[in-house]
Amino acid sequence: AQSVTQLDSQVPVFEEAPVELRCNYSSSVSVYLFWYVQYPNQGLQLLLKYLSGSTLVKGINGFEAEFNKSQTSFHLRKPSVHISDTAEYFCAGLMNTGFQKLVFGTGTRLLVSP
Amino acid sequence: SAVISQKPSRDICQRGTSLTIQCQVDSQVTMMFWYRQQPGQSLTLIATANQGSEATYESGFVIDKFPISRPNLTFSTLTVSNMSPEDSSIYLCSVSHNPLDEQFFGPGTRLTVL
Repeated sequence: AQSVTQLDSQVPVFEEAPVELRCNYSSSVSVYLFWYVQYPNQGLQLLLKYLSGSTLVKGINGFEAEFNKSQTSFHLRKPSVHISDTAEYFCAGLMNTGFQKLVFGTGTRLLVSP
Repeated sequence: SAVISQKPSRDICQRGTSLTIQCQVDSQVTMMFWYRQQPGQSLTLIATANQGSEATYESGFVIDKFPISRPNLTFSTLTVSNMSPEDSSIYLCSVSHNPLDEQFFGPGTRLTVL
C-alpha cells in the first residue's frame, strides 16, 4: 500500500481561485509531514511542515495545511492562487521505522491559468 | 537551512559508461541522502550516505550500481555505474540536521543516457 497518497495527479484552477491539494498517509508513516514544491527544472523547496503542536500549519507563499489525525490527512490549501504557483507539489512523511526515511507521494501538478 | 550545490547540473552519457555526481553543502550536516526522480515521477530514496562508513541502500538499489562516498560532513558523491537508458533521471542530494525534521534538497543533476 502507498505510504503517502496524493489522489490528484493534476489540478487545473483559474488565477485567484482557491485550491486544495489532497494528501493522505498510512499507518506506516509518522506524523512528521511535509509539503514540498518543485518548479520546472528546479530542486525541491519546503513549503511547510507539521512536526507537532497546532494542526493548522502556515507556510511560505500563502500556503497552509491542516493535519487531521482521524482522517490521516494533510491537505494543502491556498485561498487565492497566482500564475506563479504553477508547479509540482509533493507531500512527504517520515516513516515509522527506526531509521529516518522520507517517503514521497506521487505528486500533484497545479496548473494555474488566467 | 543549508545551501546545497550539485555537479554536474546535467549530462548526456553513453550507455555502459559511469558518471559521478558531487554534492557539496555549505555547512556540516548530520545526514545526507541521494534520491532518484524518474521522468514525470516522484522521488525515490536510493541510499543514505554515512560519513566514514558504507552507505545504507534502499530495496532495489545496490552498491555495485550506485557506489556512494561521504568522506566528511559536507560532501558526498554518487556514481551511476554501467549506465543504461533506464538510468535517465534527475538525481537529487538532500541533507538534514535533525533526523526528525525537514530535508533540504539540492538543485538536482539531470542525466540522460543514450
